[in-house]
Amino acid sequence: RKEVEQDPGPFNVPEGATVAFNCTYSNSASQSFFWYRQDCRKEPKLLMSVYSSGNEDGRFTAQLNRASQYISLLIRDSKLSDSATYLCVVNRRTALIFGKGTTLSVSS
Amino acid sequence: GAGVSQSPSNKVTEKGKDVELRCDPISGHTALYWYRQSLGQGLEFLIYFQGNSAPDKSGLPSDRFSAERTGGSVSTLTIQRTQQEDSAVYLCALDPGDYGYTFGSGTRLTVV
Repeated sequence: RKEVEQDPGPFNVPEGATVAFNCTYSNSASQSFFWYRQDCRKEPKLLMSVYSSGNEDGRFTAQLNRASQYISLLIRDSKLSDSATYLCVVNRRTALIFGKGTTLSVSS
Repeated sequence: GAGVSQSPSNKVTEKGKDVELRCDPISGHTALYWYRQSLGQGLEFLIYFQGNSAPDKSGLPSDRFSAERTGGSVSTLTIQRTQQEDSAVYLCALDPGDYGYTFGSGTRLTVV
């Protein structure tokens, strides 16, 4: 089983749509969780941390379920500029382990 | 990205040659990581430096790969006898923590 698994997509949605990405992780000892965004041929950039209580940043909501080892990202009112690859990230001791990412394409 | 500079930005080398990639933190960070990203693949952890502690080399794919960090600042990743499967983007990152990493813009290595 891979350490971090994501549905690769692509997710093709119209502007204004709500879209949800899911991620599972295998290491129950993981303590830190993040979503990163990566644009084509660019380096990954932190989108948001994920906390057990769930957290929201504008149109983005992240949830963590430790019992199920499951992380989610919800994007509301999708914008064209949200088109990117979204990476689920979990720590393994000192390193951050990245999923392969879910590709989102928002069209007008 | 801001805070870390990588060079060169692009490198084309012949199979069998050695290459050296550089990561230069702009400000002082004790923790430094190397990752690589092959075409269509996720980021693969390579090596981690933390202060004066022994580096975590558990991600290095073979003994052709080595890295060092001098004076707790600049780091170099060396690949000896490059192979075509070494072609990837090599990314340097600083400081994991509650706010995650800051990545450099990477070195795109192509082995021909």
